[in-house]
Amino acid sequence: DSGVTQTPKHLITATGQRVTLRCSPRSGDLSVYWYQQSLDQGLQFLIQYYNGEERAKGNILERFSAQQFPDLHSELNLSSLELGDSALYFCASSVGTASGNTIYFGEGSWLTVV
Amino acid sequence: AQSVAQPEDQVNVAEGNPLTVKCTYSVSGNPYLFWYVQYPNRGLQFLLKYITGDNLVKGSYGFEAEFNKSQTSFHLKKPSALVSDSALYFCAVRDAATDSWGKLQFGAGTQVVVTP
Repeated sequence: DSGVTQTPKHLITATGQRVTLRCSPRSGDLSVYWYQQSLDQGLQFLIQYYNGEERAKGNILERFSAQQFPDLHSELNLSSLELGDSALYFCASSVGTASGNTIYFGEGSWLTVV
Repeated sequence: AQSVAQPEDQVNVAEGNPLTVKCTYSVSGNPYLFWYVQYPNRGLQFLLKYITGDNLVKGSYGFEAEFNKSQTSFHLKKPSALVSDSALYFCAVRDAATDSWGKLQFGAGTQVVVTP
């Protein structure tokens, strides 16, 4: 158990809908990351927050947004969903932002868009 | 730009034999290198990392990895594989020289199959 908690574990929704994925980082970790894992794209970095502020953006679509709250939990909002958004979404956390920090991953949220 | 290559989609090994999973990287500065493992329907589990110092890094579950700067490689090894080591293994890199922040760049993954 990495200590990173993600909900829901599985989600099935229709095209055009909006979903919110939730993440609680490990105790003491200030950085939160979101990654997307799909068969064709592999593991793709989406976005990083540190202590409530956005710090880095990767291949995140404009239809997707995220935030980190004062209690450090984070949410990833996916809107106008398309079939291609079906993937495993990981949240991860680390104590800080240094490149040598270990990033610990949650078990992921499986999103299926039908 | 940083990149990682895992040249083998799958590695097959018999239980008890040595296991090696290959990884090469490309960064403009010094690399920070990581190995993760993903079991079916589970998240990524951290195995080990190289930041600096000894080129041989020991990690969880008996795994180790050797950093080779001249060959830009960071191969994962286990002296005696177990059936329970069957999983998907990912190598990842961050460039210490750039403001890479969260951009932990992953390889495509290598499926390890250990047969009894």
